[in-house]
Amino acid sequence: EVQLLESGGGLAQPGGSLRLSCAASGFTFTNYAMNWVRQAPGKGLEWVSALSGSGDTTYYADSVKGRFTISRDNSKNTLYLQMNSLRAEDSAVYYCAKSGSYHFYYFGLDVWGHGTTVTVSS
Amino acid sequence: QSALTQPASESGSPGQSITISCTGTNSDVGGYNYVSWYQQHSGKAPKLMIFDVTSRPSGVSNRFSGSRSGNTASLTISGLQAEDEASYYCSSYRSGNTLIFGGGTRLTVL
Repeated sequence: EVQLLESGGGLAQPGGSLRLSCAASGFTFTNYAMNWVRQAPGKGLEWVSALSGSGDTTYYADSVKGRFTISRDNSKNTLYLQMNSLRAEDSAVYYCAKSGSYHFYYFGLDVWGHGTTVTVSS
Repeated sequence: QSALTQPASESGSPGQSITISCTGTNSDVGGYNYVSWYQQHSGKAPKLMIFDVTSRPSGVSNRFSGSRSGNTASLTISGLQAEDEASYYCSSYRSGNTLIFGGGTRLTVL
């Protein structure tokens, strides 16, 4: 069964850092691009970042560029999101999502985790 | 990055057909064949319903279909059922290597 399991969410202070993880199973991890998508309370979905299957190409939304870093450890089938300089507006449920292809925009986001909650507050 | 434009809400009775629109520009919806639609029930993760404008993943009911005209993509749900009540989001590739979502449409089955 294809599964994604996020972890690492929690409470952080403004200006602080958190690292999210997403453990993948049930598919050949290196064959697919991976994404982070977030959803603020009561709001819509916002794409945050993507990473190619090999891990050598990264993509970011303008709202997080320069503050967040996406990475993957293909030996551990795990995706990461390092979040620095956190702001209140970064508070959201963060979903890990698998692309349907090696390229992040082909074939949609076909598998999603259940999400991990990040709260940025003093 | 401005979101794609969707109606905030739609409604229909069981058995009816409804269509949800998603309007963008020729830099996203109208310029690339990479429009997807997602269904999200309250408190749950999103589920892919349509990808690449018109394609349906295996396991998704053929009551769901996608189309596009110019810069507007559409999701049509035929034979509306109570279980279809959810929020629906469109997304598209946007030039400059980003993905953009619509604001979401809350579908009520009357």
